Amino acid sequence: GAGVSQTPSNKVTEKGKYVELRCDPISGHTALYWYRQSLGQGPEFLIYFQGTGAADDSGLPNDRFFAVRPEGSVSTLKIQRTERGDSAVYLCASSGGQGVTDTQYFGPGTRLTVL
Amino acid sequence: LAKTTQPISMDSYEGQEVNITCSHNNIATNDYITWYQQFPSQGPRFIIQGYKTKVTNEVASLFIPADRKSSTLSLPRVSLSDTAVYYCLVGASIYKLIFGSGTRLLVRP
Repeated sequence: GAGVSQTPSNKVTEKGKYVELRCDPISGHTALYWYRQSLGQGPEFLIYFQGTGAADDSGLPNDRFFAVRPEGSVSTLKIQRTERGDSAVYLCASSGGQGVTDTQYFGPGTRLTVL
Repeated sequence: LAKTTQPISMDSYEGQEVNITCSHNNIATNDYITWYQQFPSQGPRFIIQGYKTKVTNEVASLFIPADRKSSTLSLPRVSLSDTAVYYCLVGASIYKLIFGSGTRLLVRP
């Protein structure tokens, strides 16, 4: 079946602009996650959704970052007033949301470049 | 969450067995050990997970000693396509994965 998809694959924007990054999880997966990965580093947790609600947003770096999942499927990560330090690959993952050993399936990521 | 320490990089040749060891001295009773693989321009991919002793699947084996303070990912007969970054994760949370910097494995012809 189809895996996690993310759009766009690349996004170039200017400092101060607003961007939206989209994630389509695997069909039927109730849990959805956003991570951010800087060059040479491992992914860093941002936020976790169970259904439509954000169960844990402790990884969001500041109030310029916001994510929604209004219908419990597609999610959008929104970044306001982008800064050069926001440049990274933004990864989305989804999982069945059940069980102690639930496996997260990652998408290919969106590479964000803030000029 | 338990901090992990793993080698920054490793080199191997095609056909060899590769063992990547991860140290996690502060592992908690409820923590599981999970390994992910990441190719360039792709998201991480789950390889294997275990709690104690040995776990084997079609891709790899995971060896965990009795004290659980370390673990070893074993990749049998690697090929060029196994060149990737390998992450060792330790934690009880199924949703908040904590990645370190990983081990960059280079497989040479």
